[in-house]
Amino acid sequence: GENVEQHPSTLSVQEGDSAVIKCTYSDSASNYFPWYKQELGKRPQLIIDIRSNVGEKKDQRIAVTLNKTAKHFSLHITETQPEDSAVYFCAASIRGFQKLVFGTGTRLLVSP
Amino acid sequence: GAVVSQHPSRVICKSGTSVKIECRSLDFQATTMFWYRQFPKQSLMLMATSNEGSKATYEQGVEKDKFLINHASLTLSTLTVTSAHPEDSSFYICSARNPPGQGAWTEAFFGQGTRLTVV
Repeated sequence: GENVEQHPSTLSVQEGDSAVIKCTYSDSASNYFPWYKQELGKRPQLIIDIRSNVGEKKDQRIAVTLNKTAKHFSLHITETQPEDSAVYFCAASIRGFQKLVFGTGTRLLVSP
Repeated sequence: GAVVSQHPSRVICKSGTSVKIECRSLDFQATTMFWYRQFPKQSLMLMATSNEGSKATYEQGVEKDKFLINHASLTLSTLTVTSAHPEDSSFYICSARNPPGQGAWTEAFFGQGTRLTVV
C-alpha cells in the first residue's frame, strides 16, 4: 500500500528563519498532497495543499513544491514565528480515492 | 469550511466496557468518513473507511470485531470500541472529505478528536 515518509522528525529554528519539511511517497498514482498543522490535543488543520498537475503553490509565508518524478514534496515556511510551533503532517491521497495516508510528522519549534 | 463534529471529546471507561464515539458532518453530506487513531507524539493511522449504507473497509491489522463502525446516515458515523482495554487508550479522530459528486481533490475536515482512557 501507500507509504509516506517525512523528515525531519523534529526541527528547531530561530524566529525569522525558514523551515523546510520533506516528504516522499511510494504510490506514483497519488495525486493530492495536503499539509496539516496540529497543535497539542487538537484536530489537524489544513494549511496548504497541492495537486499533481501543479509543481508549486504559495500562500503568504507558506509554500509547497512537488516533484512527481522523484515522488517527493516539501513544505517551506519563511519568516517563522513562535506561533508556527506545532506538529506538521504531510499526506498523500491514494490513486485519487478519498482516503489520506499521513507522514510521521515533524515537530517544529520556533524560538523567539 | 465544512464542519465535522465529534463527540465525546474525552471519555474514561473501565476495562471490559464498550465506548461509542460519534462523528457528524454538520453542513454537508458525507457518504464516506474515515477513522484514525493517534498515539502520543505519533502520526494519524487510518483504521477504517466508513461507507454510508454498507460495511466499513478496515485497514490491515485493525480488528473488525473490536472496532465496530456504523454509518447509517449521510451525516453520522459511529465507532464503537468493544471490550476496551488499557492498550486501546488513544486519541481517536474522524474525518470527512468532499461531498458526493465531486472529485477527490478537496480538503479533509477533521472532528475534534476523542481522547479515550481505559482504566
